[in-house]
Amino acid sequence: DTGVSQDPRHKITKRGQNVTFRCDPISEHNRLYWYRQTLGQGPEFLTYFQNEAQLEKSRLLSDRFSAERPKGSFSTLEIQRTEQGDSAMYLCASSGRTGDSYEQYFGPGTRLTVT
Amino acid sequence: ELKVEQNPLFLSMQEGKNYTIYCNYSTTSDRLYWYRQDPGKSLESLFVLLSNGAVKQEGRLMASLDTKARLSTLHITAAVHDLSATYFCAVGSGTYKYIFGTGTRLKVLA
Repeated sequence: DTGVSQDPRHKITKRGQNVTFRCDPISEHNRLYWYRQTLGQGPEFLTYFQNEAQLEKSRLLSDRFSAERPKGSFSTLEIQRTEQGDSAMYLCASSGRTGDSYEQYFGPGTRLTVT
Repeated sequence: ELKVEQNPLFLSMQEGKNYTIYCNYSTTSDRLYWYRQDPGKSLESLFVLLSNGAVKQEGRLMASLDTKARLSTLHITAAVHDLSATYFCAVGSGTYKYIFGTGTRLKVLA
């Protein structure tokens, strides 16, 4: 299967702990995105990579959040000192370098619960 | 700043009926996407609309885009229970970012 994969699928952590999520995009895609979705809301853009360069960070991404995409392949999203308000579904998407649609393909998401 | 609104937020309809979901957006864009999301699941792509007047159909769903009115519609024909889900529109912002609507939670009653 060549879809977007995310790991872990579920994470329960205590407030104050650090967590890291991984996203593996579709292999030929050079663009990678992170979104956050809270219950009953639409996904909100967090950050965007083109190859290994992080080109935009939303103001939703506080200093406790950091994302990387070494070598332009997989990406990680780390949340330090988690807070209960960080509980959400974290979605990763990727899109390819050709075509006009920039259609994004979404992974299954990582559901984070902070207790 | 681009804002995307959907209505209705909730829709309960009988099987066999028709209905339309509306997606309005605040600034110019010629890229609009519709996704379906089942509870606890990720987003499934339904339609990609890239130009004014674009119309696409798949089964009982048909989507259209009017860039001048900044409006897209998702029309449901003869609804069936399997269509129960949350539907999101997303508008392309710049060359890469999506701004999502608030979602429409559809429940089709037997």
